Amino acid sequence: NAGVTQTPKFQVLKTGQSMTLQCAQDMNHNSMYWYRQDPGMGLRLIYYSASEGTTDKGEVPNGYNVSRLNKREFSLRLESAAPSQTSVYFCASSEGYGREQFFGPGTRLTVL
Amino acid sequence: RKEVEQDPGPFNVPEGATVAFNCTYSNSASQSFFWYRQDCRKEPKLLMSVYSSGNEDGRFTAQLNRASQYISLLIRDSKLSDSATYLCVVVGDSGNTPLVFGKGTRLSVIA
Repeated sequence: NAGVTQTPKFQVLKTGQSMTLQCAQDMNHNSMYWYRQDPGMGLRLIYYSASEGTTDKGEVPNGYNVSRLNKREFSLRLESAAPSQTSVYFCASSEGYGREQFFGPGTRLTVL
Repeated sequence: RKEVEQDPGPFNVPEGATVAFNCTYSNSASQSFFWYRQDCRKEPKLLMSVYSSGNEDGRFTAQLNRASQYISLLIRDSKLSDSATYLCVVVGDSGNTPLVFGKGTRLSVIA
């Protein structure tokens, strides 16, 4: 079992460029999440998908879109990257809403 | 009051010491609690769930105090490898936030 995988591991973008962060889990979990983590800020929830076919905004959704492609995959898209989106992005999954979450290794994104 | 609050530390302790962290939460209706560990530049990993009666896993003990709305983590016989940031996690009180993560308490175990 790979658990939760994320691609890419590192990315550098220029302001205004777009990109999609990919996340997949092989634990047959129903719920998936995207967080960002900045120094001193802790983890902040961007979007989540409580179950396949649903997505909801978290604490900091502005500038992002998500797609729950199927039960395994949950992608995060930055349409027009801004320097304020420089961060470490973690994807997580859980068996159900409110259950313990398991994290992927993260994507380190720098926007110049 | 913030939903989940932790002392950021750092806690600097010698090897073999016992150290305890507390975490307070604001939602008295919260039912689920967890401790996660995060190493520098790595993802958070589940350390243990916190049960109402308290629970132990080797050198780690977690306690819940509902009356005062806090959870605690006790680490006995600290090892160098315990150096990390420990995140307190509570099921959120908002329909949009399934779990609420504290900002973490940093622990450094010194030889």
